[in-house]
Amino acid sequence: EVQLVQSGAEVKKPGESLKISCKGSGYNFTRSWIGWVRQMPGKGLEWTGIIHPGDSDTRYSSSFQGQVTISADKSITTVYLQLSSLKASDTAMYYCARGHDSTQGPFDAFDIWGQGTMVTVSS
Amino acid sequence: DIQMTQSPSSLSASVGDRVTIICRASQRISSYLNWYQQKPGKAPKLLIYAASSLQSGVPSRFSGSGSGTDFTLSISSLRPEDFATYYCQQSDSNPLTFGGGTKVEIK
Repeated sequence: EVQLVQSGAEVKKPGESLKISCKGSGYNFTRSWIGWVRQMPGKGLEWTGIIHPGDSDTRYSSSFQGQVTISADKSITTVYLQLSSLKASDTAMYYCARGHDSTQGPFDAFDIWGQGTMVTVSS
Repeated sequence: DIQMTQSPSSLSASVGDRVTIICRASQRISSYLNWYQQKPGKAPKLLIYAASSLQSGVPSRFSGSGSGTDFTLSISSLRPEDFATYYCQQSDSNPLTFGGGTKVEIK
């Protein structure tokens, strides 16, 4: 079965950092882009950036550049999203998702989604 | 950035109704338009990619059309499991952007 499994919920204090993970299985992990999508409570979907695990080519949304860091470890088929200097406004569900067509490049639909990681930032 | 505008933001419909959701891009995006369904507490699910291609496993009552700036998602005969929020997303350029969502509720 093709799946993305994310790390568990996190509760952090303002100013702290965290790194959440997304492990892919059931497909050729190094061939498909993996993106991260934020969903704040009760709100819509926002694309933060994307990485190609095969060569770690990474693109960011200008809205999130400098706020997040995306990385990959292909040896363990895992992609990461790092958030630093956390603020209350970073409280959200974060989803990883796989690019639909491995030949399409970084800008594509997302056909497989992780279950989401809830990040809560509160003092 | 390309802005995606969906309408309506919510609608009430009955089982068996035909439902149409509109998505408009702030600039031309060819057919780089995708549709997702999201149910409460769940991750989004891809329904339609490239404006009109049905994702594998998605029922044929879902269909998409359009190109350029104007797109539609149609559900031919609404079923109980279709009550959810629907999002469009452009994949033409960075940053990928989503519409604000359309919540389909039971009348």
